Amino acid sequence: AQTVTQSQPEMSVQEAETVTLSCTYDTSENNYYLFWYKQPPSRQMILVIRQEAYKQQNATENRFSVNFQKAAKSFSLKISDSQLGDTAMYFCAFIEGAQKLVFGQGTRLTINP
Amino acid sequence: DTEVTQTPKHLVMGMTNKKSLKCEQHMGHRAMYWYKQKAKKPPELMFVYSYEKLSINESVPSRFSPECPNSSLLNLHLHALQPEDSALYLCASSPGTYNNEQFFGPGTRLTVL
Repeated sequence: AQTVTQSQPEMSVQEAETVTLSCTYDTSENNYYLFWYKQPPSRQMILVIRQEAYKQQNATENRFSVNFQKAAKSFSLKISDSQLGDTAMYFCAFIEGAQKLVFGQGTRLTINP
Repeated sequence: DTEVTQTPKHLVMGMTNKKSLKCEQHMGHRAMYWYKQKAKKPPELMFVYSYEKLSINESVPSRFSPECPNSSLLNLHLHALQPEDSALYLCASSPGTYNNEQFFGPGTRLTVL
């Protein structure tokens, strides 16, 4: 069974700092997708960034970027120039094949002013 | 329209009540999902509808009954719930059922008294 592990239950940084959230996963498949979702205290789950496993280039979306290490099965999220609005629960997620998105336990990130 | 909407936002019900949660999307997505989320935990998959047919039921108790009247609508009928069923219920949709990111609604906060 696929599993996703986020080893940092909570993190806290100062505004404008860079922060990296860790995620590892386990799969025997070669073709899959990885995601980072953000869930602010207002609760709507929003997709932050996605990575296709067959792509070697790391995905980036403005201040958000990933470090995808396929051999190590690692998928970390870097947030540059962090902002107060980045405060949220961040979930790493994995999908291989049909329908079932597997989530990690989440990292609660707090950006302090 | 690039969003998933859910009604109601909040629901309080007794253990003998019957109520329904509603979800709607107009993105032309062909897969829709119900998740249950407890505080500070990742979403847990309950049901998946693919092309309006139930394709996954994650051994959910029969007091939860899903319904997909058409490709844009998804309902979750609730009957004889228990206090432990109190949670945030999230609806999501995706373009297809294979290696697709899911788009989440804002959720319904359910309290069972």
